[in-house]
Amino acid sequence: EVQLEQSGAEVKKPGESLRISCKGSGYNFSNFWISWVRQMSGKGLEWMGRIDPSDSYTKFSPSFQGHVTISVDKSISTSYLQWSSLNASDTAMYYCARFYYDSRTYYSDWGQGTLVTVSS
Amino acid sequence: EIVLTQSPGTLSLSPGERATLSCRASQIVSSDYLAWYQQKPGQLPRLLIYDASTRATGIPDRFSGTGSGTDFSLTISRLEPEDFAVYYCQRYGSSFPFGPGTKVDI
Repeated sequence: EVQLEQSGAEVKKPGESLRISCKGSGYNFSNFWISWVRQMSGKGLEWMGRIDPSDSYTKFSPSFQGHVTISVDKSISTSYLQWSSLNASDTAMYYCARFYYDSRTYYSDWGQGTLVTVSS
Repeated sequence: EIVLTQSPGTLSLSPGERATLSCRASQIVSSDYLAWYQQKPGQLPRLLIYDASTRATGIPDRFSGTGSGTDFSLTISRLEPEDFAVYYCQRYGSSFPFGPGTKVDI
């Protein structure tokens, strides 16, 4: 069974750094891109970017380019979403997801989400 | 970068009625790689439709998708109480942007 297990909720202050994680299991982690999706409270889904675990190539939505870093440690089947300096507008639920298309079928697997709260 | 817009923002209907939701892309969606999701409060998004018109596994046939190029639609033929939710379109390929969503409420 495919699982994406995310790290727990975080409460941070503005200006602090943060890294949250997403561990994949039940499949060959290196073979499938991991995406990160933001959902602010009461708002829509926003695709932030994705990483190819095989070579760590990343592609970002223009809205998030330069604001976050996506990385991966394929030795432990884990992807990370990282901020160097948080601000209050980063408060949101963050999901990792595996979106892929194979043999004329599209698959969409989601982590359970990590709630990030940034408040002074 | 492709941008998806959805209309209307909110659709107020009653159980048993037909719902038609629209998704428009800023450029042609190659191979009709367009998906629709349903999301209820506190839940993960649920994949309904992919390739613009193919129902995902276990999705009831009251859900149907049409369209190609830049204009796509999701139709719910007869709304059930559990269908009141927010619906998102998503283009997939090298990137995976979502539309802003349409809320279907009573």
